[in-house]
Amino acid sequence: RKEVEQDPGPFNVPEGATVAFNCTYSNSASQSFFWYRQDCRKEPKLLMSVYSSGNEDGRFTAQLNRASQYISLLIRDSKLSDSATYLCAVNKGNTGKLIFGQGTTLQVKP
Amino acid sequence: DTAVSQTPKYLVTQMGNDKSIKCEQNLGHDTMYWYKQDSKKFLKIMFSYNNKELIINETVPNRFSPKSPDKAHLNLHINSLELGDSAVYFCASSQLRTSGGSYEQYFGPGTRLTVT
Repeated sequence: RKEVEQDPGPFNVPEGATVAFNCTYSNSASQSFFWYRQDCRKEPKLLMSVYSSGNEDGRFTAQLNRASQYISLLIRDSKLSDSATYLCAVNKGNTGKLIFGQGTTLQVKP
Repeated sequence: DTAVSQTPKYLVTQMGNDKSIKCEQNLGHDTMYWYKQDSKKFLKIMFSYNNKELIINETVPNRFSPKSPDKAHLNLHINSLELGDSAVYFCASSQLRTSGGSYEQYFGPGTRLTVT
């Protein structure tokens, strides 16, 4: 089993749709969780950290489910500009090491 | 001001050559990282330095040698380049969380290395 797993997609959704991605992790000792966005031929950019209580930033909501060992990202009212690959990252150990999932590709269509 | 910068942005070279990539961050972070993203888009950690000390050294061929002259700079030297080294190499930086877990990492624009 991979340490961090994501459904690669692609997820094709119409503008205005709500879409959710999950990311499962295998190390129950992980303490830090992040969602990054990566556009084609660009660097990963931090979208949001994922806190135990869940957190929201505008149209984006991130949640952590420790019991089932997954994090989720919900995007409401999808925009064309949301089209990108969404990477989840989970820490391993105390050295700042992040394990990244392979990414989920989102295509928002007009 | 660019927070994490890398040079060069593109690097095309022949097998067997030696090349270096440079990274600088002006975020005041104490930890820097090198990642490799292959053609299948997997992003994998290679090395990390905290205040010039190597703290992460993944299973990477010893042709790859990182160097950190100070906490704001991290370079990657690659000897005897091979076709399989073709990838995008990203530098990143963060603060190091000593109590467990990780702080957010911020990435440079990447260096696209093509070995012919």
